[in-house]
Amino acid sequence: GAGVSQSPRYKVAKRGQDVALRCDPISGHVSLFWYQQALGQGPEFLTYFQNEAQLDKSGLPSDRFFAERPEGSVSTLKIQRTQQEDSAVYLCASSLLGGEGDEQFFGPGTRLTVL
Amino acid sequence: AQSVTQPDIHITVSEGASLELRCNYSYGATPYLFWYVQSPGQGLQLLLKYFSGDTLVQGIKGFEAEFKRSQSSFNLRKPSVHWSDAAEYFCAVGNTDKLIFGTGTRLQVFP
Repeated sequence: GAGVSQSPRYKVAKRGQDVALRCDPISGHVSLFWYQQALGQGPEFLTYFQNEAQLDKSGLPSDRFFAERPEGSVSTLKIQRTQQEDSAVYLCASSLLGGEGDEQFFGPGTRLTVL
Repeated sequence: AQSVTQPDIHITVSEGASLELRCNYSYGATPYLFWYVQSPGQGLQLLLKYFSGDTLVQGIKGFEAEFKRSQSSFNLRKPSVHWSDAAEYFCAVGNTDKLIFGTGTRLQVFP
């Protein structure tokens, strides 16, 4: 595709529900990143994949957060038993190769509201 | 620990005026530095990046930034702001496999 796409764009969940957020990276991009952006803050790193391998998940805030990229393309971020503090915009980014100098291309984000 | 500080939360300028957005970083080695812009409902768009070499880098939309190692700064500038530049601006430093962002500066442009 032309860019990184994310779905849904908006998600409202009741506290305790599970949610799944999808990211379609730019075709051919090896690396995929998830960030969490709370209101009025900058994005914060959650996790990073190179192809299907999850190389860094140090930013995941709790074991309720789980991400996967089984075929090295589409990725899903799953949040179990959502809490109000999970309300944020979840951004997905992809880069051609990865590494600290490689440009990351961002999707529009999924805005999650937990009631 | 690596970090990025954007001291100005909100800046207001008149259209046609010059602009400078401040960014200070803390990083142990030579940093990879980025400026991104985020418009409402849009993803982050890269304006420019610095890796090495010339400390004055040119970006898209008429923006430029200057890397000053002695001041640990990477300030973003534009000589004449357009109303369409109103957005949130984020400075970031590359840290191995991730970007570390500042808290952002919201730019408001008055006609």
